[in-house]
Amino acid sequence: AAGVIQSPRHLIKEKRETATLKCYPIPRHDTVYWYQQGPGQDPQFLISFYEKMQSDKGSIPDRFSAQQFSDYHSELNMSSLELGDSALYFCASSLQNLGTEAFFGQGTRLTVV
Amino acid sequence: AQKITQTQPGMFVQEKEAVTLDCTYDTSDPSYGLFWYKQPSSGEMIFLIYQGSYDQQNATEGRYSLNFQKARKSANLVISASQLGDSAMYFCAMREGLYNQGGKLIFGQGTELSVKP
Repeated sequence: AAGVIQSPRHLIKEKRETATLKCYPIPRHDTVYWYQQGPGQDPQFLISFYEKMQSDKGSIPDRFSAQQFSDYHSELNMSSLELGDSALYFCASSLQNLGTEAFFGQGTRLTVV
Repeated sequence: AQKITQTQPGMFVQEKEAVTLDCTYDTSDPSYGLFWYKQPSSGEMIFLIYQGSYDQQNATEGRYSLNFQKARKSANLVISASQLGDSAMYFCAMREGLYNQGGKLIFGQGTELSVKP
């Protein structure tokens, strides 16, 4: 079965650079979530989209922005990167009104040097 | 505000024995879902088991079972017959609402489980 695809799997950037993380949800899933997991920490919710509209927002820095496109894939754009942005970034997808589980991608490990 | 607490930073268990990982939660919403995820050292987040707040019976999935005690607001994960491959970080998570409306998960701090041969 198709799963949530995230790219790239690993990314190394320098401070003040920009990074773009991509997420391709499971086909027909209408909701995408982004989470950030710092080293040794639990995942923290950043932002979610339902039917291409932002549906909820967590502790996402102003330097970050995200959107969901017409084909339901989503991108997380991160600018002016800081060392503290080094983390594992997860995307998850689900069906809004059916089912209970959100399926996670394998994550993008971002390292800022 | 919703909150998940896992009070065991690390646990050890002997191979083939059962182990219980603790999770307590707090929410004012009568409708909620509780999840357990496994995160091995490779980093992916693997769904294990789900319990809805109105489910009358405890959820089970193979060797995993969820001991749901609603009045005590606890949702402990029981792993029977531990295997070496069970060594990982385990996260308890909660979502307010039974389905995915609003959908974000709130995670606990995690419990690192080590299975000894």
